[in-house]
Amino acid sequence: DTGVSQDPRHKITKRGQNVTFRCDPISEHNRLYWYRQTLGQGPEFLTYFQNEAQLEKSRLLSDRFSAERPKGSFSTLEIQRTEQGDSAMYLCASRNDRVNDGYTFGSGTRLTVV
Amino acid sequence: AQSVTQPDIHITVSEGASLELRCNYSYGATPYLFWYVQSPGQGLQLLLKYFSGDTLVQGIKGFEAEFKRSQSSFNLRKPSVHWSDAAEYFCAVGAASGGSYIPTFGRGTSLIVHP
Repeated sequence: DTGVSQDPRHKITKRGQNVTFRCDPISEHNRLYWYRQTLGQGPEFLTYFQNEAQLEKSRLLSDRFSAERPKGSFSTLEIQRTEQGDSAMYLCASRNDRVNDGYTFGSGTRLTVV
Repeated sequence: AQSVTQPDIHITVSEGASLELRCNYSYGATPYLFWYVQSPGQGLQLLLKYFSGDTLVQGIKGFEAEFKRSQSSFNLRKPSVHWSDAAEYFCAVGAASGGSYIPTFGRGTSLIVHP
């Protein structure tokens, strides 16, 4: 297994456009998390899935954000009508909740809204 | 709700010197505690974690951390820093609940290593 993969690594978009990011977790990990990280800050929790069920969403996740994990494997995070304030690194992490362990993070998707 | 404070935004050390990065947490019960490292433009790598048991935790790359309940602290230490340790370090706390938790991260400490 090559770890948690995120695609694309970088995305530049114009304000008002929609963007979609993909995360492929480690195959045996049933939990998948999305975090957002802005410059000079630590990661902030957005949402997480247990298998295909979205169990919790942060108040940071406005109506323009939607996340899915349709088959309990990969996940997508879509941002509609992007705003400049959405510019950030979007991090995905996964873990197996049957093993008492930490999260494994992907390398992130850097979004720049111009 | 849990929270984490990393009081030092930047730390500068000379290569070969010892290192201690501070982390204080706020949580009402026994927390899960973590230290992650992030190189520029990269994701986070887990250095070490504390769930229970021995309060002195050994991690990768020669790092260790000590959980001190009385001080609500989980400071990260390394006896001799290498230039490759220059990176951003994040402390995180997770509310322990039957093996499930969502970590809350501090704002990070940037480590600068002088030759």
